[in-house]
Amino acid sequence: KAGVTQTPRYLIKTRGQQVTLSCSPISGHRSVSWYQQTPGQGLQFLFEYFSETQRNKGNFPGRFSGRQFSNSRSEMNVSTLELGDSALYLCASSLSPRAQYNEQFFGPGTRLTVL
Amino acid sequence: AQSVTQLDSQVPVFEEAPVELRCNYSSSVSVYLFWYVQYPNQGLQLLLKYLSGSTLVESINGFEAEFNKSQTSFHLRKPSVHISDTAEYFCAVSDKVGGSQGNLIFGKGTKLSVKP
Repeated sequence: KAGVTQTPRYLIKTRGQQVTLSCSPISGHRSVSWYQQTPGQGLQFLFEYFSETQRNKGNFPGRFSGRQFSNSRSEMNVSTLELGDSALYLCASSLSPRAQYNEQFFGPGTRLTVL
Repeated sequence: AQSVTQLDSQVPVFEEAPVELRCNYSSSVSVYLFWYVQYPNQGLQLLLKYLSGSTLVESINGFEAEFNKSQTSFHLRKPSVHISDTAEYFCAVSDKVGGSQGNLIFGKGTKLSVKP
């Protein structure tokens, strides 16, 4: 079974631009979560989607948004990029958030550099 | 809100030496606890987890962690490390919310460096 895939793996943007990152979950998984990883703040939860609906959202500004499609693939968008948005963005997929235990499987991440 | 503290940001050890990576979490009624490992330029891989039952959990590659409720700790140990264990290790916790698992809250990570 293929793992979680994220595209692109690396991205360089300049301040003020916007960016869209993509995540394809493991086949059969319907929940997708996004995390931002930086050296200073560590791993922080961005948001979680299930059945095309955002279930939970972390403490990030409205410039960060996401969506999920009917095939469970998810995208996240960051508008008006700032230098501090440079990070590794990780996507994790799981079967269902309604399970008592819902193991998350992580993709390799997208490394975003903002110049 | 839950929080996780990993007391050591970097741990250098020699090959075949024992190692302990420390993790403490803020108190809660019931939690799930995890250790993830991240190799360079890769995502996170689940190393082991505590859900319920026996407080000592083990991974297939020799790591173990013990859930200590009174000390709110979940330290990771290995009696003899290998060069290939060099990686960053993250402790994570999630609350049980309404009978299902809540979001993962991660510690800042511990970089384990194994020297020959």
